[in-house]
Formats: sequence, structure tokens, C-alpha cells
Amino acid sequence: AQKITQTQPGMFVQEKEAVTLDCTYDTSDPSYGLFWYKQPSSGEMIFLIYQGSYDQQNATEGRYSLNFQKARKSANLVISASQLGDSAMYFCAMREVMDSSYKLIFGSGTRLLVRP
Amino acid sequence: KAGVTQTPRYLIKTRGQQVTLSCSPISGHRSVSWYQQTPGQGLQFLFEYFSETQRNKGNFPGRFSGRQFSNSRSEMNVSTLELGDSALYLCASSPISGQGSTDTQYFGPGTRLTVL
Repeated sequence: AQKITQTQPGMFVQEKEAVTLDCTYDTSDPSYGLFWYKQPSSGEMIFLIYQGSYDQQNATEGRYSLNFQKARKSANLVISASQLGDSAMYFCAMREVMDSSYKLIFGSGTRLLVRP
Repeated sequence: KAGVTQTPRYLIKTRGQQVTLSCSPISGHRSVSWYQQTPGQGLQFLFEYFSETQRNKGNFPGRFSGRQFSNSRSEMNVSTLELGDSALYLCASSPISGQGSTDTQYFGPGTRLTVL
């Protein structure tokens, strides 16, 4: 079975600094997709970035980049130039294919607090 | 383009009652998935609908059910509520969600259900 592990329950970062949130995964499928979502206290899950297993380059979206190390089965999220609004829960997720569709398997999340 | 909307945002029910939650996907999206989020179990997949058909279901009792309408709007129903059903229920939509799809799931703000 597929599994996502996030080992950092909580992290602090100083405003304007970069921070890395860890994510490791386990799957036997050669084709898979990895996602990062941000969940503010309001509850909505906001899609940040996607990495496909066959993508040659690490994904980037603005201040977000994904450090994808396939051999190590890790997909760490890097947030550059942290802002106060980045304070939230961050979830790493993997797409698990089922019959005719897919579902997302989520990690337990990392709570990020940006200090002014 | 409007995002995923969920109604109501907050709901308080008592044990034994039933509840219906509604989700309107992003215009043009045909797949709707539901997830339950609790502090103890994290984010868990409930079910997924596509073209008015339930394609997959997670490991939840039969008290949890859903449906999708021809306009892709979806509802989920929980009958005979239990205290443990208190959770944030998140709906996500994606364009196709086929087996080989790289679709991203976009989430709504969630419905926070409290069972007393």
C-alpha cells in the first residue's frame, strides 16, 4: 500500500527566510504523482505544486519548489522568502490509482509558523 | 472561474440525526471526491463520483453515502450520526480523474460538522 510520511509535526521559520518541509513516500507503482497542499486555519486545502514521477525537472510554482529525489523517495517542499501568510498546515499527498479513478493519500501534515 | 463551493460551512447535529452536505465543483469539472478530516485519523478518502456514478469508495460504513447530479454537483449524506462523525468534510473536484490522469484535485472550504 502507498504511504506518505511527514516527520515534522511543527516548524518555525523567520520571515523572509527559506524553509524546507519534508515528505517521504512509499509506492511500488512506477508511475505516480505527488502533491503539496496548504491548509490555513479556515480549513480550505489550497493546491500548491505537483510533481509527476516521470518529470525530468523539479517542479516550481512561484516561491514554491519541490526537491524531488526519486531514489530516496522524497519530495520535500521548499518555500523561499517566507511570508507571514505562509503560516498554515502543509500536507504532502500521493495519487493512488484505483480501478477507474484515483484518490489522494495524505501525510499527517506539518504546521508551519512564520515569525515576524 | 469560481472555485469549489460547499454548503453549509458549519453544522451542528445531535447523535442519531442525519445530515446532507452539498458540493458544487469548479465549472467544467466532472469528478467530485469527498474526504473526511479528523485530528485522530487525518485526511481519509470517502468516495468519488464521475458522471453521476460512484466509481470508488473508501473504508467507511454504509451510513456514509453520496450522489452526483447531472450538473456535477454532489451531495453526501450521513445517517444515524455518531459522535465520531464530527469532522471537517472536504470536497474536491477535478476535470476528469481518469486512471492515467494527471489531474489535480481542487478543494472547497469544507463543512465542519459537530455531532453532540
